[in-house]
Amino acid sequence: SYVLTQSPSVSVAPGETARVTCEGNNIGSKSVHWYQQKAGQAPIVVMFNDGERPSGIPERFSGSNSGNTATLTITRVEAADEADYYCQVFDTVSDVVFGGGTKLTVV
Amino acid sequence: QVQLVQSGSELKKPGASVTVSCKASGYIFTNSPVNWVRQAPGQGLEWMGWIDTKSGNPTYAQGFTGRFVFLLNTSVSTAYLQIRSLEAEDTAVYYCARDWHGEVWSPRPAFVYYMDVWGKGTTVTVSS
Repeated sequence: SYVLTQSPSVSVAPGETARVTCEGNNIGSKSVHWYQQKAGQAPIVVMFNDGERPSGIPERFSGSNSGNTATLTITRVEAADEADYYCQVFDTVSDVVFGGGTKLTVV
Repeated sequence: QVQLVQSGSELKKPGASVTVSCKASGYIFTNSPVNWVRQAPGQGLEWMGWIDTKSGNPTYAQGFTGRFVFLLNTSVSTAYLQIRSLEAEDTAVYYCARDWHGEVWSPRPAFVYYMDVWGKGTTVTVSS
């Protein structure tokens, strides 16, 4: 089965840049999506198809995907960005696969 | 606006059954599949499968066959998740989510499948 690996946690100071990574075998050949889940809330999609932002998501959020790593980058991090972030792909064998999630802490 | 409204929290005993509903509004229900996602306490997201709202055909992910059933009532734009023979390990928040999927050619040819609208989740607690 296809596996997506995320670091459990990332800490960043307000105003700095946070990078959340998602590793998978040849993930660069797949379309990667990112979800943000704040405490006690449902997930929302913040990036789809590697680097496309849904309406309403700030331009501070961007995405990239190449080789074995996809990255969600959040510039000028704010306290409101503190959340769990999940990557997700579709694999022809495993269907929908989520990464284990990364907790972004704004310190 | 487009939304999915889920039913309220449930407390059930082991061995019982539960049905979670997910009512869609703001779009044509049969134009988009409905997915189900489980999140156990303190854990990540786990895709359970999806149901084709046009045909009613369900697809279950590995680990969600047998006791889990996806149902529809298109006349009221509602999808249902039924869990039979509940176990303590079924304690979780269950989300329904609409998906968009299809072939894209940019930035490279790929099959896109992501969940663009989520319900707020239904907490199911299984305890004796």
